[in-house]
Amino acid sequence: EVQLVQSGAEVKKPGESLRISCQGSGYSFTNFWIIWVRQMPGKGLEWLGRIDLRDSYINYSPSFQGHVTISSDTSISTAYLQWSSLKASDTAIYYCARRERTYETFDYWGQGTLVTVSS
Amino acid sequence: EIVLTQSPGTLSLSPGERATLSCRASQSVTSSYFAWYQQKPGQAPRLLIYAASSRATGIPDRFSGSGSGTDFTLTISRLELEDFAVYYCQQYGSTPMYTFGQGTKLEIK
Repeated sequence: EVQLVQSGAEVKKPGESLRISCQGSGYSFTNFWIIWVRQMPGKGLEWLGRIDLRDSYINYSPSFQGHVTISSDTSISTAYLQWSSLKASDTAIYYCARRERTYETFDYWGQGTLVTVSS
Repeated sequence: EIVLTQSPGTLSLSPGERATLSCRASQSVTSSYFAWYQQKPGQAPRLLIYAASSRATGIPDRFSGSGSGTDFTLTISRLELEDFAVYYCQQYGSTPMYTFGQGTKLEIK
């Protein structure tokens, strides 16, 4: 069974750093990209970026370039999303998902990680 | 950037009725790279339709997708209680690689 399991909810202060994770199982992890999606409170879905797990090539949405970093550790089938300096506006649920290459869809999703940034 | 605009923002219908949700793109979209997702409260999105009209694994046949170019439609033939949720369209194209519509909330009338 394909599963993406994300790390738990986080509460941070502005300016703090954070790394959240997404661990895949039940499939060949490096054969698929992992993408990250943000959902701010009560709002829609926004694509942040993607990582090709074969070669760690990364693309970011221009809206998020420079503010988040995507990485991976394929030895433990895990992708990461990290911030060096959080802002209150980063408060959101962050989802990872597996990208299906033929039709460019996101066929399996993690359960989401709630990140709350508040002083 | 291709902008996807969904309408209506909220759709109020009763179980058993037919739902028609629209997604309009600011530029022509490749149909093979157009999808619909369903999101229920507190849950991750779920892939419903890919390639504009193909149902994902396990999706009931009351869900159907159609359209091409800039106009796409998701139809739910006979609404069941479990179908009341938020629906998003999504496309793949040039930078940014992926964009979503703002969502249509399907609520019980």
